[in-house]
Amino acid sequence: DVKVTQSSRYLVKRTGEKVFLECVQDMDHENMFWYRQDPGLGLRLIYFSYDVKMKEKGDIPEGYSVSREKKERFSLILESASTNQTSMYLCASSVPGVETQYFGPGTRLLVL
Amino acid sequence: AQSVTQPDIHITVSEGASLELRCNYSYGATPYLFWYVQSPGQGLQLLLKYFSGDTLVQGIKGFEAEFKRSQSSFNLRKPSVHWSDAAEYFCAVNSGNTPLVFGKGTRLSVIA
Repeated sequence: DVKVTQSSRYLVKRTGEKVFLECVQDMDHENMFWYRQDPGLGLRLIYFSYDVKMKEKGDIPEGYSVSREKKERFSLILESASTNQTSMYLCASSVPGVETQYFGPGTRLLVL
Repeated sequence: AQSVTQPDIHITVSEGASLELRCNYSYGATPYLFWYVQSPGQGLQLLLKYFSGDTLVQGIKGFEAEFKRSQSSFNLRKPSVHWSDAAEYFCAVNSGNTPLVFGKGTRLSVIA
């Protein structure tokens, strides 16, 4: 089975802090994605990556950056956390040509 | 632009009753269609997917969905709902090696 893990299930941070959310997949998938999920808004794509050291902006990249130094790991970075970044963050991975995305359990981030 | 519409924000059904969750999409290319389910506090689990071929697809947990190109729809059905089906359901679409576009979700409540 594909396994996508996220470093924390719950995280509480202060406004202005730098926040790292880590995602690791164990199935050698080329594609990785970061979404945020908010009530009534569904899932919105923040960033994605089709290969190591490659990144593409999604629909809502403002306030975020990403890093993909290794194939299995895709990190989401909040350079200076703000209260409007309080949300559920979901990571996913997939294989090119096999369109199914596999999701991690999510990280619920609270920014105070 | 690609979009997915789930017209029902919240649906309540009685246990044992049939269920249909609606999904309409707008997509320029031939779509790949998905239904995911999210239990409270969890990540997303793939229920079923349609890529090509038979327009009626079977998924896990007794769910099925029918692709109707003429109506741009991919509705999810289950003949008899169980209390454990209470969750949020997301319809999603992509085409080729592109990120998923999600609907805003339908929350399903099941009453005795």
